[in-house]
Amino acid sequence: DQQVKQNSPSLSVQEGRISILNCDYTNSMFDYFLWYKKYPAEGPTFLISISSIKDKNEDGRFTVFLNKSAKHLSLHIVPSQPGDSAVYFCAAKYAGNNRKLIWGLGTSLAVNP
Amino acid sequence: NAGVTQTPKFRILKIGQSMTLQCAQDMNHNYMYWYRQDPGMGLKLIYYSVGAGITDKGEVPNGYNVSRSTTEDFPLRLELAAPSQTSVYFCASTERRGGGYEQYFGPGTRLTVT
Repeated sequence: DQQVKQNSPSLSVQEGRISILNCDYTNSMFDYFLWYKKYPAEGPTFLISISSIKDKNEDGRFTVFLNKSAKHLSLHIVPSQPGDSAVYFCAAKYAGNNRKLIWGLGTSLAVNP
Repeated sequence: NAGVTQTPKFRILKIGQSMTLQCAQDMNHNYMYWYRQDPGMGLKLIYYSVGAGITDKGEVPNGYNVSRSTTEDFPLRLELAAPSQTSVYFCASTERRGGGYEQYFGPGTRLTVT
């Protein structure tokens, strides 16, 4: 039973346009969400996160939006660059003093020049 | 500051062989994790540790063992390798204190069991 779902296995966008990656979750006990980027043959690297008490967090070209009522979050990349081509994972943490993460299956983003 | 390091990068094992995947971090993190990633899948937690001497099972612990004798090192042991253990293995670590929960990952070990 996948508690963190990334329903789009892949996404292709043109350089300079916006990339929107989506993530849905089923468990209302999640209180913190993270996005990771992964290049082939490398480990995942942390990108941006958001607490459940917020609805938006920005870091440069990356913005994460959280809609708690819909149990949905999205990662916006503006403008998209070819170097952003990677697999993006959404992860969630249960409330409490718990540092285990539950991971989605990932979305492969291709940014075309 | 090397972060999280893993050795080896690649390994081919025969069915029934044993091996230890090494993981070390130099960030003085208390929490460490072992994940496996199968093709087209997300990360599955194998074992984790909240500090030296303390380990616990994750989602998929069968066929693996861990130990944590120091803060820095968290080796993963495969005793009797099976083809189902063919995967990419990632080690990660994180802080105990503070509001951030991001985990820092090593580069991975690609293991093939034939």
